[in-house]
Amino acid sequence: EAGVAQSPRYKIIEKRQSVAFWCNPISGHATLYWYQQILGQGPKLLIQFQNNGVVDDSQLPKDRFSAERLKGVDSTLKIQPAKLEDSAVYLCASSLETFGGEKLFFGSGTQLSVL
Amino acid sequence: LAKTTQPISMDSYEGQEVNITCSHNNIATNDYITWYQQFPSQGPRFIIQGYKTKVTNEVASLFIPADRKSSTLSLPRVSLSDTAVYYCLVGDHLLNTGFQKLVFGTGTRLLVSP
Repeated sequence: EAGVAQSPRYKIIEKRQSVAFWCNPISGHATLYWYQQILGQGPKLLIQFQNNGVVDDSQLPKDRFSAERLKGVDSTLKIQPAKLEDSAVYLCASSLETFGGEKLFFGSGTQLSVL
Repeated sequence: LAKTTQPISMDSYEGQEVNITCSHNNIATNDYITWYQQFPSQGPRFIIQGYKTKVTNEVASLFIPADRKSSTLSLPRVSLSDTAVYYCLVGDHLLNTGFQKLVFGTGTRLLVSP
């Protein structure tokens, strides 16, 4: 079974530039998550989709971050403009559902460095 | 905010049993307890999940007392490759919806030495 695919694996940009990350979840998984993980910290949930609808985006900095999940499958996360403090690993995860007891499957993440 | 509390770090030696305890005093009646393992440069990986009493799989055991306010992940006979960060999660149910989100804490950094 294919896992969660993410690209790119690494990205280096200068502050105030824009960047986009892509995620392809496991086939059939209705729920997709984007987490931000700063070095030395646990993953922080940015946004959670159920199919193509947003379940929770309370921790998403909406002035600069946006995410979409068209057709309830692939998802993109965009940062525009990037700040130095956005340097982190961006993890995408998926699960069958989101009602309780689900097992999350994570991708390897995109490591973003903002200079 | 994470609903769980874990030790920041633990040290062990190869071949020993390691027990990592997690506190979740405000766990809801329908919450499961799930543990993930994370190696450097990788996403977290599911280890084990339970609701009450004891659960065992090929990797670990999970002990949950009757009040469910804590849980203990037990790793038998650890090896160097078990050096990782271990996260304990319980669901955080979103008000007025049937959905839950999973909030990670800072986790426990386990270092296994020869």
